[in-house]
Amino acid sequence: AQSVTQLDSQVPVFEEAPVELRCNYSSSVSVYLFWYVQYPNQGLQLLLKYLSGSTLVKGINGFEAEFNKSQTSFHLRKPSVHISDTAEYFCAVSERAGGTSYGKLTFGQGTILTVHP
Amino acid sequence: EAGVTQSPTHLIKTRGQQATLRCSPISGHTSVYWYQQALGLGLQFLLWYDEGEERNRGNFPPRFSGRQFPNYSSELNVNALELEDSALYLCASSLGGKGYHEQYFGPGTRLTVT
Repeated sequence: AQSVTQLDSQVPVFEEAPVELRCNYSSSVSVYLFWYVQYPNQGLQLLLKYLSGSTLVKGINGFEAEFNKSQTSFHLRKPSVHISDTAEYFCAVSERAGGTSYGKLTFGQGTILTVHP
Repeated sequence: EAGVTQSPTHLIKTRGQQATLRCSPISGHTSVYWYQQALGLGLQFLLWYDEGEERNRGNFPPRFSGRQFPNYSSELNVNALELEDSALYLCASSLGGKGYHEQYFGPGTRLTVT
């Protein structure tokens, strides 16, 4: 079984400041890693994903994340945030094909990012 | 191209009743997933259907059930509703087959049990 821990439930930042949202995961098998964003009263939108290859992945809206296998982390970063980035962010893992948990996404508890002017 | 659609947007039921939630996947997608987003419990995987068959199920009681129709749309049924079933229910769809396929989410159905 896998689990995901998002280390901060809320992160307040000022506009144009950098931000890092932290995510650690636990799994006995190889996984895919994801970050999703959820704006108020909306569904989830995929920000970026790590499937294989380069450990630094770039996503939409200027976000990037780095996969660290030794620390089992997948932290999300943005060098300069905007008011419009205010939303809830979810880290998720999915087991690679062949396992009993294949197909399902396991989510962290979410981090509410609030960008202040 | 139309995204994943869900109906109804909001649903209010009384404890003990049954609720039916519907999901239409993106055209060409054969897999449908259901997730529950309850306050304090986060996002939890409920069910995965592919080509009309249940492929995986989360840790939910049997009163949570569903099906996938020949046109790949899906229905989630919750019987004997309890207050703690109040949540946002999200449906996602993806291409089928082996390997990784991105899940695209719908806007959700907000179920309120009173």
